[in-house]
Amino acid sequence: GNSVTQMEGPVTLSEEAFLTINCTYTATGYPSLFWYVQYPGEGLQLLLKATKADDKGSNKGFEATYRKETTSFHLEKGSVQVSDSAVYFCALSDLTLRGNAGKSTFGDGTTLTVKP
Amino acid sequence: GAVVSQHPSWVICKSGTSVKIECRSLDFQATTMFWYRQFPKQSLMLMATSNEGSKATYEQGVEKDKFLINHASLTLSTLTVTSAHPEDSSFYICSAREGDPSYEQYFGPGTRLTVT
Repeated sequence: GNSVTQMEGPVTLSEEAFLTINCTYTATGYPSLFWYVQYPGEGLQLLLKATKADDKGSNKGFEATYRKETTSFHLEKGSVQVSDSAVYFCALSDLTLRGNAGKSTFGDGTTLTVKP
Repeated sequence: GAVVSQHPSWVICKSGTSVKIECRSLDFQATTMFWYRQFPKQSLMLMATSNEGSKATYEQGVEKDKFLINHASLTLSTLTVTSAHPEDSSFYICSAREGDPSYEQYFGPGTRLTVT
């Protein structure tokens, strides 16, 4: 079955530091890949996505590239801010798998804390 | 972007009572809605997938008689936790999708259920 493995947290960085959160996946088909962000007490918001190999998703200074050869979708940001403190989830949705209704599989989440 | 709301945002109930949580798509018609459960510091666990006008499909291990899901219209799905117990206390999140699996999922803000 499908699975997503994320870098374990928590991750604590100083403001303006470089961020990498690793994500690797296992899928039987050709999944779309996503990063979601969850702020305290809130639901998930889509941060970025990529639908095919070598696609790069980007939003709000965050980037992730769909690497089929390494089955990875690592999240990066060049300079984090205190407001980026949140939980980040890597996810996949295998649209080619018949009958799964496009269900998503989530990683365990990585908590990021950015200190001033 | 598309908005999904949940009501209530938090609820406290006594053991043995039932609680209904609503999930609404505010500006689009959701042919498919997903219900997730999230434990503290953990990832989202998919409970069930519901399509408008048909019975929900439950994930393995989720008791369908305990977690009743009704997707009566294209903008509303409800989750009823019947005979709630303290172990049902959790954060329940819904998501909604407008069309086929190639469409994006939009997440609600979540409902915090506490059973005393």
